[in-house]
Amino acid sequence: DAGVIQSPRHEVTEMGQEVTLRCKPISGHNSLFWYRQTMMRGLELLIYFNNNVPIDDSGMPEDRFSAKMPNASFSTLKIQPSEPRDSAVYFCASRAAGRLYNSPLHFGNGTRLTVT
Amino acid sequence: AQSVTQLGSHVSVSEGALVLLRCNYSSSVPPYLFWYVQYPNQGLQLLLKYTTGATLVKGINGFEAEFKKSETSFHLTKPSAHMSDAAEYFCAVSGSGGSYIPTFGRGTSLIVHP
Repeated sequence: DAGVIQSPRHEVTEMGQEVTLRCKPISGHNSLFWYRQTMMRGLELLIYFNNNVPIDDSGMPEDRFSAKMPNASFSTLKIQPSEPRDSAVYFCASRAAGRLYNSPLHFGNGTRLTVT
Repeated sequence: AQSVTQLGSHVSVSEGALVLLRCNYSSSVPPYLFWYVQYPNQGLQLLLKYTTGATLVKGINGFEAEFKKSETSFHLTKPSAHMSDAAEYFCAVSGSGGSYIPTFGRGTSLIVHP
């Protein structure tokens, strides 16, 4: 079990540039979550996919943010254009199929994004 | 709607002392409750979970938590703190009102003094 894999681990970019974060969930998991973590706001849910379909994107801050899950083994979170206030650690997490309420989330190690 | 409150953003203990991290939730029955731990520069890892059955749940690294329905609490304890326990701890709840999206608390930073 390789765990949830995120890339890159660190991203430094200038304001206005496009940023793409990538996630490979654990094989066989059918739910995928994108979170953002900051000191001010803690852990915020951005979007939740089930069986590759976006179910809840109410946490996506604004139209500059978009997420896709073209297949069960890959997801992207894109920010275009990026702004300094987007600086945060972005986590991807996956969850096994089955009883949705009681299965734990498996987190990747995150992408630390810095927008200057 | 479900919610989680973690009392104390920071808890400081001496090595060997009891660790108590507090978590209260609001939820309809039945809630499913989780504790996660986050070490520096890493993602969250499951420490333990309560779904049904025994209300005292044992997890990894000597931690345990007790589900108390009457108090809507799920406090995390460890009899003797180690330096390696220093980390951020998150309580989470799911299942209330049909919500399959877990709700996380703000986290509690555990500081262990030698």
